[in-house]
Amino acid sequence: AQRVTQPEKLLSVFKGAPVELKCNYSYSGSPELFWYVQYSRQRLQLLLRHISRESIKGFTADLNKGETSFHLKKPFAQEEDSAMYYCALTSKTSYDKVIFGPGTSLSVIP
Amino acid sequence: DTEVTQTPKHLVMGMTNKKSLKCEQHMGHRAMYWYKQKAKKPPELMFVYSYEKLSINESVPSRFSPECPNSSLLNLHLHALQPEDSALYLCASSQVPGQGYEQYFGPGTRLTVT
Repeated sequence: AQRVTQPEKLLSVFKGAPVELKCNYSYSGSPELFWYVQYSRQRLQLLLRHISRESIKGFTADLNKGETSFHLKKPFAQEEDSAMYYCALTSKTSYDKVIFGPGTSLSVIP
Repeated sequence: DTEVTQTPKHLVMGMTNKKSLKCEQHMGHRAMYWYKQKAKKPPELMFVYSYEKLSINESVPSRFSPECPNSSLLNLHLHALQPEDSALYLCASSQVPGQGYEQYFGPGTRLTVT
């Protein structure tokens, strides 16, 4: 079955500390993985997708097919990174279904 | 225009009312979605339209009726809702159906059923 798990519901880090938000998935085919972010009172928006391999707002994520993981990392957390982060999965054969993980609420402490 | 817009922002309706939510995008996207989101939970997929045709209905109760009049517009007609239907309703679009592209979300309509 297709599934996305994010083991941490809440994550608090101090400003300037490294941050890692974990995401694991189960999918039998070739997945497309994304991180979406929802800042307070703002719309859900794409943070990054695995195939672009780019860094957005200092965040990176590497797809590890062996461990079926797509963890989100940032070396130095900023207060404006406080938000809800969702890992999501789709594929070209999923008929446009996107499966969202339960989300991790990140709080960066000044 | 690179945004998905939704109207109204807020809606309060009684259980016997009929109302509609509207979603619009002018990015030329050919896949459009309706999601329901409860507080502090991920979006739950309700419907998917691909090239203006309904391609996915996630077993949504018939009191929710989607409509896609053209490639830019998506409606969600509401009738005889229940209080547990109160939620944030999100519309999203993506470039080409079936290609695994990212989704662009609207700001949502906050629905309260009394």
